[in-house]
Amino acid sequence: QVQLVQSGPEVKKPGSSVKVSCEAPGGTFGTHAISWVRQAPGQGLEWMGRVIPIVDVTTYAQKFQARIVITADKSTNTVHLNLSSLTSDDTAVYFCTRDTEAVHRDWGQGTLVTVSS
Amino acid sequence: DIQMTQSPSSLSASIGDRVTITCRASQTINKFLNWFQQKPGKAPKLLIYFASTLASGVSSRFSGGGSGTDFTLTINSLQAEDFATYFCQQSYSPPLTFGGGTRVEIK
Repeated sequence: QVQLVQSGPEVKKPGSSVKVSCEAPGGTFGTHAISWVRQAPGQGLEWMGRVIPIVDVTTYAQKFQARIVITADKSTNTVHLNLSSLTSDDTAVYFCTRDTEAVHRDWGQGTLVTVSS
Repeated sequence: DIQMTQSPSSLSASIGDRVTITCRASQTINKFLNWFQQKPGKAPKLLIYFASTLASGVSSRFSGGGSGTDFTLTINSLQAEDFATYFCQQSYSPPLTFGGGTRVEIK
């Protein structure tokens, strides 16, 4: 299994943006896609989008299209999720996953993002 | 978007029981159906992919079946470590949608 290490918890104000990072220490993402999946407190799982770092191709869920950017920094083996125009509904744990054929095989530990005034 | 409907949303079972969870897609997804297990405070863990292929290191107590729109996850001889929440997900087309989850509790 591949270890994915995510950045630490964030507390943000409504209307601001958050950047969450996901690193594959000691390795590269290869040809795999990296997805972001979030989970609001006590709720289910929601796929937000993905990037294929080797070709820098992104796919986003329509719901987030206007305010999400996923980027890959191949020099540091890190993928970043940027989510803007935050509201309290964005309070959730955000997971990155490493995908093979669109299957989320490996998961990061999760990053709690709290949006509160 | 493809809607995924899981049932039941929760169930109570005893150690040694056989448990079956169902997942229905709103349109055909061939066999592009995955199952995950999640324990409180932890990231989900892949159990089964492509409807019936066991992920590496996963107990053979778990099995998956189905194709098209109707799928099942079966846990044979339920063990203490199996009490968790289970999610299905379609990987047929983006957005990759999840079912609402099934919480398996101790009776």
